Amino acid sequence: EVQLLESGGGLVQPGGSLRLSCATSRFTFSSYGMNWVRQAPGKGLEWVSAISHSADSTYYTDSVKGRFTISRDNSKNTLYLQMNSLRAEDTAVYYCAKGINTQWLVIDYWGQGTLVTVSS
Amino acid sequence: NFMVTQPHSVSESPGKTVTISCTGSSGNIASKYVQWYQQRPGSAPTTVIYEDKQRPSGVSDRFSGSIDSSSNSASLTISGLKTEDEADYYCQSYDNNNHVVFGGGTKLTVL
Repeated sequence: EVQLLESGGGLVQPGGSLRLSCATSRFTFSSYGMNWVRQAPGKGLEWVSAISHSADSTYYTDSVKGRFTISRDNSKNTLYLQMNSLRAEDTAVYYCAKGINTQWLVIDYWGQGTLVTVSS
Repeated sequence: NFMVTQPHSVSESPGKTVTISCTGSSGNIASKYVQWYQQRPGSAPTTVIYEDKQRPSGVSDRFSGSIDSSSNSASLTISGLKTEDEADYYCQSYDNNNHVVFGGGTKLTVL
């Protein structure tokens, strides 16, 4: 069964930075697009960012553009999200989500999530 | 920007059938795939329907998806409701900029 394991969450002050990782296994990581999706406490799902299988295309929701950077290391089967200039409104559980093919637009598997809390 | 809208909540009795709608804001929802995700309290989402009507392996055939072009909407139907189906359900599609779009979620109560 596909496995997605997020890490790197925690408490950070406003303006600070965090780097999330998503370690994957049991599928050919380099063949699939990937997403980051977040969920603020008590709220719905919000798409954050996506990357194509080869990393030649990346996409961001407007609220994180210029602050967050998605990347992947296909040799390590790992997805990343570098988050800079963090704001209180970035507080959420962040999920790594796998696309069903080289793109990311249809999700078939989700990780368990990692909590990011932005607070002073 | 393209959006999808769901009802905030639905409720139905065990054994009955419930349908959750997902309406596209513009264009033709049938031209894009729609997915449905289940999220039980305290858990990560899981995929119950992808590409409009496909069920991942392991998902009960009580779950089905459909598209109605005339109303520009997608639907998730759950038959033979069980208490374990009580959860939040999210529809998802995408816009012309290759951005993933989620509906606001529908809370299903089985009572």
